[in-house]
Amino acid sequence: SQTIHQWPATLVQPVGSPLSLECTVEGTSNPNLYWYRQAAGRGLQLLFYSVGIGQISSEVPQNLSASRPQDRQFILSSKKLLLSDSGFYLCAWTFSSDTQYFGPGTRLTVL
Amino acid sequence: AQSVAQPEDQVNVAEGNPLTVKCTYSVSGNPYLFWYVQYPNRGLQFLLKYITGDNLVKGSYGFEAEFNKSQTSFHLKKPSALVSDSALYFCAVRDIPYTNAGKSTFGDGTTLTVKP
Repeated sequence: SQTIHQWPATLVQPVGSPLSLECTVEGTSNPNLYWYRQAAGRGLQLLFYSVGIGQISSEVPQNLSASRPQDRQFILSSKKLLLSDSGFYLCAWTFSSDTQYFGPGTRLTVL
Repeated sequence: AQSVAQPEDQVNVAEGNPLTVKCTYSVSGNPYLFWYVQYPNRGLQFLLKYITGDNLVKGSYGFEAEFNKSQTSFHLKKPSALVSDSALYFCAVRDIPYTNAGKSTFGDGTTLTVKP
């Protein structure tokens, strides 16, 4: 069966510090991968998606970036965090079923 | 373009009563439709989906949803609500054919509160 992992689970970072969030998927090959941000427990904002290694599409211009160095690894990064980057970050994957399967999320607080 | 609307931010029902969480969509072709549930500080969990076939789709935890093409709706329903159903519910839509890397558009979510 497939599983998706995210870490860390929670993170508190000062403004201006760098960020690296990691997402890995097990039990499938060549999944589509997604990064979402959820603010204040409401709607999902799609940040990035990837259809393959090294292929990244950005949905929203911002100070975040994403990379996919391996087939089942998706990384969200920032060189300098802003207060507005605080939120709940969710990674998801999908394959032929079209259903998206979400990771447990990372709660990021920027102070 | 695809879009989805959840017109109610909050739905309150008493335990044992039927519940409905509303969703309407807009797509250029035929839709794939999904419902997900989110518990506090957790990721979203898949409940059910409509691809084709019967308009009434049954999913996890006793939930079902009815696809209505003429009204472009996909309302989530349950005959008898439980307190444990209290959560945030998301409707999502994806247009067919398979384009845009399988991206779905999510509604803003509806908070369901079931009171004992």
